[in-house]
Amino acid sequence: SQQGEEDPQALSIQEGENATMNCSYKTSINNLQWYRQNSGRGLVHLILIRSNEREKHSGRLRVTLDTSKKSSSLLITASRAADTASYFCATDEGNQFYFGTGTSLTVIP
Amino acid sequence: NAGVTQTPKFQVLKTGQSMTLQCAQDMNHEYMSWYRQDPGMGLRLIHYSVGAGITDQGEVPNGYNVSRSTTEDFPLRLLSAAPSQTSVYFCASIRPGGGTEAFFGQGTRLTVV
Repeated sequence: SQQGEEDPQALSIQEGENATMNCSYKTSINNLQWYRQNSGRGLVHLILIRSNEREKHSGRLRVTLDTSKKSSSLLITASRAADTASYFCATDEGNQFYFGTGTSLTVIP
Repeated sequence: NAGVTQTPKFQVLKTGQSMTLQCAQDMNHEYMSWYRQDPGMGLRLIHYSVGAGITDQGEVPNGYNVSRSTTEDFPLRLLSAAPSQTSVYFCASIRPGGGTEAFFGQGTRLTVV
């Protein structure tokens, strides 16, 4: 399988705290993306980071990429109850997208 | 904007039955794909298409067929349903060009008994 893996599998934090989740992947990439999935819904794109970028910000999201370690991290700052969801990293290799196994985040009000 | 529309949302099949999961997008995206999502497994690619008339296999294609006669539609066929195909199925589309996001449908929850 060419899937990535997220770590941790599950994360529970208090509202206002920061949440960090990590993704490791197996092959060389052109870019890496993060998606969010609310319970019972489809995935929604959050942010894309290209292989020549090391860090990217979007609102309360911060993504880093270390291609030498084949890893990425997603930081959500000042978390809210509405951030409760599963988060997936995805790599695209040509015409195929490969998703990790996901981190389930619970933000407790 | 409708985006990516999947039907049905829920389906129960008996072992051996066949059915087609429908997927349609109105964004004129060339690339479409089907995934299945199982607990602890993330999303696994079943089949994908880079344009009308062109399809290819992903990671887990066995037991599934696809066709792409138009840019808009990409149906997934289960030829003879098995309990191992109980899963949530997602269709996604991507516009041409590298480094672009995928747009997902809301999913079809399939149970094979």
